[in-house]
Amino acid sequence: GQNIDQPTEMTATEGAIVQINCTYQTSGFNGLFWYQQHAGEAPTFLSYNVLDGLEEKGRFSSFLSRSKGYSYLLLKELQMKDSASYLCAVRDKSGGSYIPTFGRGTSLIVHP
Amino acid sequence: DAGVTQSPTHLIKTRGQHVTLRCSPISGHKSVSWYQQVLGQGPQFIFQYYEKEERGRGNFPDRFSARQFPNYSSELNVNALLLGDSALYLCASSLAGGEINYGYTFGSGTRLTVV
Repeated sequence: GQNIDQPTEMTATEGAIVQINCTYQTSGFNGLFWYQQHAGEAPTFLSYNVLDGLEEKGRFSSFLSRSKGYSYLLLKELQMKDSASYLCAVRDKSGGSYIPTFGRGTSLIVHP
Repeated sequence: DAGVTQSPTHLIKTRGQHVTLRCSPISGHKSVSWYQQVLGQGPQFIFQYYEKEERGRGNFPDRFSARQFPNYSSELNVNALLLGDSALYLCASSLAGGEINYGYTFGSGTRLTVV
């Protein structure tokens, strides 16, 4: 199985930049996902990384280092609506299941 | 196009009862996965079905079962409910299972409260 670790809570100021880290341990890495989840709502897909490097998508970017078992989600020009939980999920191919395992999520609070 | 639909949205049951949760995937999606999310935690994998066959099962007791129908909709059944089963149950649909990243689209979930 996987061991996924991310901070429980972070706070940031509107307009600022925040980086949410995720570390993982897995024997058969096959991709890392970031999801955003507002309170009481379903998770929504943000990004997918399977190769090392930075993937940029508007205000959100995601980085992966497979050798270090490390990823981060970078949020720029923070807005109040970015207050949400951010879930890191790792897919493992061992056993042929390819099923993502989620971390417990990082609750981001954006204040004025 | 309708997204992933789950029913009911909220449910209150008493301990020992049985519950059935339903999920309709996005049209054309053949894989459905079920997750349990307890408040303050990330989603925990329960089952994955693809083409009506079970492709994966998480670390949940046998009280939990599921199936997928020919139209790719799915049911999650939980018997002998415990207080600890209170959670948000999420259904995720994707084009297929397997290694190719088709991505997951989640439904809004069913909030189950066991009293």
